[in-house]
Amino acid sequence: EVQLLESGGGLVQPGGSLRLSCAASGFTFSSQAMSWVRQAPGKGLEWVSTINNSGGLTYYADSVKGQFTISRDNSKNTLYLQMNSLRAEDTAVYYCAKGGRASGPFDIWGQGTMVTVSS
Amino acid sequence: EIVLTQSPATMSLSPGERATLSCRASQSVTRYLAWYQQKPGQAPRLLFYDASNRATGIPARFSGSGSGTDFTLTISSLEPEDFAVYYCQQRSDWPLTFGGGTKVEIK
Repeated sequence: EVQLLESGGGLVQPGGSLRLSCAASGFTFSSQAMSWVRQAPGKGLEWVSTINNSGGLTYYADSVKGQFTISRDNSKNTLYLQMNSLRAEDTAVYYCAKGGRASGPFDIWGQGTMVTVSS
Repeated sequence: EIVLTQSPATMSLSPGERATLSCRASQSVTRYLAWYQQKPGQAPRLLFYDASNRATGIPARFSGSGSGTDFTLTISSLEPEDFAVYYCQQRSDWPLTFGGGTKVEIK
């Protein structure tokens, strides 16, 4: 079964850091671009970042550029999102998704992990 | 940035009725447009990619069409499980962008 399972969310104070993980199974992880998409409470979907299959190319939304870092470990079938200098407006459910531009749409989604930035 | 505008924001319909959802792009995305369905508390689910290609397991009552800047998602006869929020998304250029969503609610 194709599956993505996020972890690492939680409550963090403004200015803090958090690293999200996304464990993939059921497909050849190393062949696929992967992405993070977030959704603030009661709001729509916002693309955050995409990484190509090898990890050599990364893309970011302007809203997180210089603040978040996407990476992957193909030996562990795991995608990461390092989030630094967190602000209240980063509060959202963070989804990992298979796909991203040239490699196609977001055809597989994880269940999401909630990140709350609050003092 | 390519802005996707979805209309209407909300539509109130009864089961069995036809739903027509619109997504308009601020510039051409050729056919690189996808549609997603999201129900409360759930992750989005891919319905269509490249404007009209139905994703695996999506019922035939759903159809997607369009190219360039104007796209349509049609649900021919609403089933109870179709009441949800629908998003369009383009992958023609960076940054990838989503529309604001259309909520299909029960009348």
